[in-house]
Amino acid sequence: GAVVSQHPSWVICKSGTSVKIECRSLDFQATTMFWYRQFPKQSLMLMATSNEGSKATYEQGVEKDKFLINHASLTLSTLTVTSAHPEDSSFYICSANRGGSGRGNEQFFGPGTRLTVL
Amino acid sequence: QQPVQSPQAVILREGEDAVINCSSSKALYSVHWYRQKHGEAPVFLMILLKGGEQKGHEKISASFNEKKQQSSLYLTASQLSYSGTYFCGTVRTGANNLFFGTGTRLTVIP
Repeated sequence: GAVVSQHPSWVICKSGTSVKIECRSLDFQATTMFWYRQFPKQSLMLMATSNEGSKATYEQGVEKDKFLINHASLTLSTLTVTSAHPEDSSFYICSANRGGSGRGNEQFFGPGTRLTVL
Repeated sequence: QQPVQSPQAVILREGEDAVINCSSSKALYSVHWYRQKHGEAPVFLMILLKGGEQKGHEKISASFNEKKQQSSLYLTASQLSYSGTYFCGTVRTGANNLFFGTGTRLTVIP
């Protein structure tokens, strides 16, 4: 159990367009979902924490108007990169916290989405 | 508040041991360890909770010293499949978000 999926797995878009990435918990309800960004040869950087039915909490330096997060249900969170530019090209990974598992906030990661902005 | 890992990179011959350290400047509730292969998402290895516990699975084990805000990952008798980048992830006391360490690139050669 505890499977998280992401869609799409990769996307190439033109500069100025918007891209939506979906993160779904397939076999559990996720009280909290997290969005990370990873540039080549770097660590995963937490972008925002998303709770179902409430506004996301963004980390310092992350533009909330550019990276729109919607957590509409306990199994789905979406990240929309608005007006994407080449510097937004990165590997975007989501994770979900099952909560109440007694495992110290264990997070389950999706397979990631590679975004390339031309 | 990114945890710092050491070493940054290490090369081992098959069968050798390695230790990867993770240090935080914040009080921690838990430490998570992950391994990431190139182009893939991180794979969960283990989680250690506040209380100074140690854990292990086959030839990979870890310890967590909450007083020092440090954790170490021990890889014994390394195998080729152990190659990858290892990240610690820390959860601060009173929080639920995970901050990843700087990473350690491990390469196991025959």
